[in-house]
Amino acid sequence: ETGVTQTPRHLVMGMTNKKSLKCEQHLGHNAMYWYKQSAKKPLELMFVYNFKEQTENNSVPSRFSPECPNSSHLFLHLHTLQPEDSALYLCASSLDTNSGNTIYFGEGSWLTVV
Amino acid sequence: GEDVEQSLFLSVREGDSSVINCTYTDSSSTYLYWYKQEPGAGLQLLTYIFSNMDMKQDQRLTVLLNKKDKHLSLRIADTQTGDSAIYFCAERKAAGNKLTFGGGTRVLVKP
Repeated sequence: ETGVTQTPRHLVMGMTNKKSLKCEQHLGHNAMYWYKQSAKKPLELMFVYNFKEQTENNSVPSRFSPECPNSSHLFLHLHTLQPEDSALYLCASSLDTNSGNTIYFGEGSWLTVV
Repeated sequence: GEDVEQSLFLSVREGDSSVINCTYTDSSSTYLYWYKQEPGAGLQLLTYIFSNMDMKQDQRLTVLLNKKDKHLSLRIADTQTGDSAIYFCAERKAAGNKLTFGGGTRVLVKP
């Protein structure tokens, strides 16, 4: 138990569906991250939020839309995804985005796009 | 080439030591991390080392850092079947809090 909880753990969606992934952290952190882990690539950083403000968008397609309503919650809204978007989506958090703060990961949400 | 590289696979017998190697390219990296991912699970932070250290030991885990060669290793003593997992090396650059991960080394522990 890392203190970072992701739901759902597994999601299957069609290409025309709209769904959301949720992440909640109970660590009192102020920075939250979305990473993507696909079968044939290293872990890729997608988005970074620090104190609810987006500070990094790593050229992510607009069919992925993050939302950070407060420092404890992070969402990833999914719309008209492609089969190649099937992957493990990992949420993480740290105290803030200053270098030196350890990043803790959740268990991930397995997404399959059919 | 990739920023962080690891070998793909390591097979080891239960009770032996495992050594997982990692190379990175950015000499300004401040922290280097080892994460463990068990099947179907997320990433678990195992240990990390600050770039001005050469070695860090934590129970069965020993991290060695050769900053000159940009080489990081993780040694697991008395490897157990529960150590079977994918191990990721990651570096954090001097600016910001972004991690760059290697591709992961799959460790298989045989009884």
